[in-house]
Amino acid sequence: QVHLQESGPGLVKPSETLSLSCAVSGASISSYYWTWIRQSPGKGLEWIGHIYSDGSPQYNPSLRSRVSLSIDTSKYQFSLRLTSVTAADTAVYYCASLRGYAYGFSHWGQGALVTVSS
Amino acid sequence: EIVMTQSPATLSVSPGERATLSCRASQSIDRNLAWYQQKPGQAPRLLIYGPSTRATGIPARFSVSGSGTDFTLTISSLQSEDFALYYCQQYSTWPYTFGQGTKLEIK
Repeated sequence: QVHLQESGPGLVKPSETLSLSCAVSGASISSYYWTWIRQSPGKGLEWIGHIYSDGSPQYNPSLRSRVSLSIDTSKYQFSLRLTSVTAADTAVYYCASLRGYAYGFSHWGQGALVTVSS
Repeated sequence: EIVMTQSPATLSVSPGERATLSCRASQSIDRNLAWYQQKPGQAPRLLIYGPSTRATGIPARFSVSGSGTDFTLTISSLQSEDFALYYCQQYSTWPYTFGQGTKLEIK
């Protein structure tokens, strides 16, 4: 059973960098595209991007200038960095797995609420 | 990007009855669509993707139809655990995009 667990600060100041990690268990880290999705009342569900085990990422163009995904296959975890955050980045951030380009997001973490506030 | 529009925003149905939820894409996505269920305080859960593939553990009362731009999720006989939020999501083109959701509530 694939299990994903987000971790990171729940409060980030405006203009600073949001950093989250997702620990993977129960699956080979080489078998999925590892994904970040966020959910806010204002924008609903928003795909941030994904990264494969070879380190190749795909980003949502709306966030591309501020987002960076990385993966550490030895630690079975992948990470999200979002720079220059504003209140509009306040959301629940989910990590999720995608088996391939013809599938849905099959497994999700429980979500991490990140609030951007001074 | 492809805009996904779901209707209605809220659907009131009695237990045991059939529910029909709609999802429309702003351009053709063939059958590259997934449906999710979300309950309060939980992450979305994958229900169905592609032409008709149900995710692990999803009962047969959930079915989908449609292709191109218009899609339907049907729940044939509503159980108490089916009352939740439902989202559609296209994976035809990056960026992947979601609909705004349909809330299925008890009538």
